Amino acid sequence: AQSVTQLGSHVSVSEGALVLLRCNYSSSVPPYLFWYVQYPNQGLQLLLKYTTGATLVKGINGFEAEFKKSETSFHLTKPSAHMSDAAEYFCAVSEGFGNEKLTFGTGTRLTIIP
Amino acid sequence: DSGVTQTPKHLITATGQRVTLRCSPRSGDLSVYWYQQSLDQGLQFLIQYYNGEERAKGNILERFSAQQFPDLHSELNLSSLELGDSALYFCASSAGGEGYNEQFFGPGTRLTVL
Repeated sequence: AQSVTQLGSHVSVSEGALVLLRCNYSSSVPPYLFWYVQYPNQGLQLLLKYTTGATLVKGINGFEAEFKKSETSFHLTKPSAHMSDAAEYFCAVSEGFGNEKLTFGTGTRLTIIP
Repeated sequence: DSGVTQTPKHLITATGQRVTLRCSPRSGDLSVYWYQQSLDQGLQFLIQYYNGEERAKGNILERFSAQQFPDLHSELNLSSLELGDSALYFCASSAGGEGYNEQFFGPGTRLTVL
């Protein structure tokens, strides 16, 4: 079975500061890893994904994440926070083709301090 | 706009009732997934259909059922509703072919059981 742990249900950073949202996963097969963002009263939008290949992946809105197999981690970062980044962020894992269901973490609510 | 549509946006009903949630996938997508987002359980996978056939099942209650029709739209039926069924229900769709298939999420249906 797969699982995802997101450390910190709430994270606050100042505008312009580094954003770091933590995600650790458990998977018995090579994982596909995702970060989704959810704005209030909206659906989920894919920020970035890791399937195979380069372990540092870049996504939309200046976010990036690095797959570290030895640490079973897939932390999300952004060098400089913007007010528009305030949202809930979900890390997710799947086994890929043949078993594509997403297993989500509990989410991290990001607050940006002006 | 992901291209996935869900109706209705909001649904308020009473305990013991039955409701049907509808999802239209993106044009050309063969796979449909249903997820439930609640305060208690977080975001969890319910069920997946691929080209009309059930492909994977998650933590879906026996009171819940789903189907995918020949035109590829899907319906999630919830019966004997309980207060705890109040949640946001998301539908996602993907192409469903070999290799990586990104899931695109609809805006969700917010169900309130009184």
